[in-house]
Amino acid sequence: KQEVTQIPAALSVPEGENLVLNCSFTDSAIYNLQWFRQDPGKGLTSLLLIQSSQREQTSGRLNASLDKSSGRSTLYIAASQPGDSATYLCAGPGSARQLTFGSGTQLTVLP
Amino acid sequence: EAQVTQNPRYLITVTGKKLTVTCSQNMNHEYMSWYRQDPGLGLRQIYYSMNVEVTDKGDVPEGYKVSRKEKRNFPLILESPSPNQTSLYFCASSFNGQANPQFFGPGTRLTVL
Repeated sequence: KQEVTQIPAALSVPEGENLVLNCSFTDSAIYNLQWFRQDPGKGLTSLLLIQSSQREQTSGRLNASLDKSSGRSTLYIAASQPGDSATYLCAGPGSARQLTFGSGTQLTVLP
Repeated sequence: EAQVTQNPRYLITVTGKKLTVTCSQNMNHEYMSWYRQDPGLGLRQIYYSMNVEVTDKGDVPEGYKVSRKEKRNFPLILESPSPNQTSLYFCASSFNGQANPQFFGPGTRLTVL
């Protein structure tokens, strides 16, 4: 069964810093991975979806990569801003029709 | 505006009193699902549906029911709620499965006394 892990659970950085969030998964047969953002008291917003054939996806200051062989995905945030403060979750297929989520990394960007 | 709506957003109830949380999407998505989010346990899938009249259990289905009579609606039913079902619930939809971007509703915070 797919297990998804995100470390660290919380991260605090000064504004302007480039940062990397990590996501590890146990089933290397994963065929896609999604990154989400969750603001306090709100639902999840899909940020990026990487297919296994793509290895990388970019949206603005966000770049996500997927390395199946190592069981890892990273979300790179360039030039972080206070508005980036949120919890970031990754999710991969847990089975043919299910998603398994990591527990998230709570990011705080300090002005 | 493309969206997933849930109602109610907040609900406080008592043990054993049947309740329904509604979920509706306006994107003609085939795939819909329900999650609960608990501190320290993250998001866990309760039920999902691949299309009308097609539903299946997720990781934590005990104590819940769902139905998918129309493509746009996917209600979550708690026949006899218990305090351990106190949680934050999210409905989500996507074009045709978990391989597509998921659209989440705003969440329903349920407290069972």
